[in-house]
Amino acid sequence: NAGVMQNPRHLVRRRGQEARLRCSPMKGHSHVYWYRQLPEEGLKFMVYLQKENIIDESGMPKERFSAEFPKEGPSILRIQQVVRGDSAAYFCASSRRLAGDYNEQFFGPGTRLTVL
Amino acid sequence: QQQVKQSPQSLIVQKGGISIINCAYENTAFDYFPWYQQFPGKGPALLIAIRPDVSEKKEGRFTISFNKSAKQFSLHIMDSQPGDSATYFCAASMQTGNQFYFGTGTSLTVIP
Repeated sequence: NAGVMQNPRHLVRRRGQEARLRCSPMKGHSHVYWYRQLPEEGLKFMVYLQKENIIDESGMPKERFSAEFPKEGPSILRIQQVVRGDSAAYFCASSRRLAGDYNEQFFGPGTRLTVL
Repeated sequence: QQQVKQSPQSLIVQKGGISIINCAYENTAFDYFPWYQQFPGKGPALLIAIRPDVSEKKEGRFTISFNKSAKQFSLHIMDSQPGDSATYFCAASMQTGNQFYFGTGTSLTVIP
């Protein structure tokens, strides 16, 4: 049973380019969460999605960032016109989130984005 | 505003010793408190979690102590081993909420 998969594991972009990060949830999980981790800091929530729906994007920067989780295929976190401050590790987590469940989230290995 | 405060930032423990990491929270609506272990270059892995209806949970060498009135919880690692050297994050969430609120992490080094 494969865990949460993310790719690429490392991504280098120049300022102004676009970054696309992909996340495939664990089998049986239909809820996806994206977090960002800056060096020496904890993880910060960005967005929560279910298939074809954004449920909560309260942690997402208002500009340049977008996320989707299509009916088929992985969830995508897209960062347009990247800046040096976007350099971070981006983690995806997934859960089953059954009624009455405690929303146990399982994390992928992350994508390390470096903006030159 | 940091919803979950974690200390210490770093910890060095002798092999066989006890490692203790503390976390405190403010939001009394939190009802799920997991601990994650993260090795360099890897994603956080769920280690152990507790709900506020119990004061302690033990799994092998790992124990969570929970003090609801003080709004504090801690991770104890008994008989610490060099392989336990990693960064540990506490977190809190609400069953009805969407996100985990993470502490800032504790870098644990266990020396042989």
